[in-house]
Amino acid sequence: SQQGEEDPQALSIQEGENATMNCSYKTSINNLQWYRQNSGRGLVHLILIRSNEREKHSGRLRVTLDTSKKSSSLLITASRAADTASYFCATGGTGANNLFFGTGTRLTVIP
Amino acid sequence: SQTIHQWPATLVQPVGSPLSLECTVEGTSNPNLYWYRQAAGRGLQLLFYSVGIGQISSEVPQNLSASRPQDRQFILSSKKLLLSDSGFYLCAWSVRSRGRFGTQYFGPGTRLLVL
Repeated sequence: SQQGEEDPQALSIQEGENATMNCSYKTSINNLQWYRQNSGRGLVHLILIRSNEREKHSGRLRVTLDTSKKSSSLLITASRAADTASYFCATGGTGANNLFFGTGTRLTVIP
Repeated sequence: SQTIHQWPATLVQPVGSPLSLECTVEGTSNPNLYWYRQAAGRGLQLLFYSVGIGQISSEVPQNLSASRPQDRQFILSSKKLLLSDSGFYLCAWSVRSRGRFGTQYFGPGTRLLVL
């Protein structure tokens, strides 16, 4: 299976701290994406990193990709209570028909 | 700008009853369309995707079916619901020219409870 696996499953931090979530996958990929889901809502796309990229930034988000280790990390700096949500990685790769979503990391930011 | 609608937002149905969930996209043409199911506290399971009118691909065998009668309309159906069909159903679209690995844009979801 190409499905991504996020780690940890749940993370609780204080407001202002940094949050790091990891994603591992099993086969070669075309790109890797991170999405956010607030409770009971649809997913919102955060950032896409291509297989030939190693790092990407968007505001307080920093994503890294290590294709040799088949892993990615999402760093949220200076977290806010509004960052509380579940975060999913999704991989799109050769030989696959569509994106594969992981099971998510549930982030709680305590005010 | 593009928007995606799903309805109903919440649905409670008895076992054995039929199902019809609708998804429509505005502000774009020829999108790829997707139906996902998310069990409580779990990841997304791709059920169906469509690259055009009348073109449906099924990812998981089940008692659900999908149809795309119009370019921006995607319908998820069942003739007889099972208890295991309960979950959160999400519709999504992506730009066709970006292929199947492009960014996906999700609707607000439908929460289905089968009793």
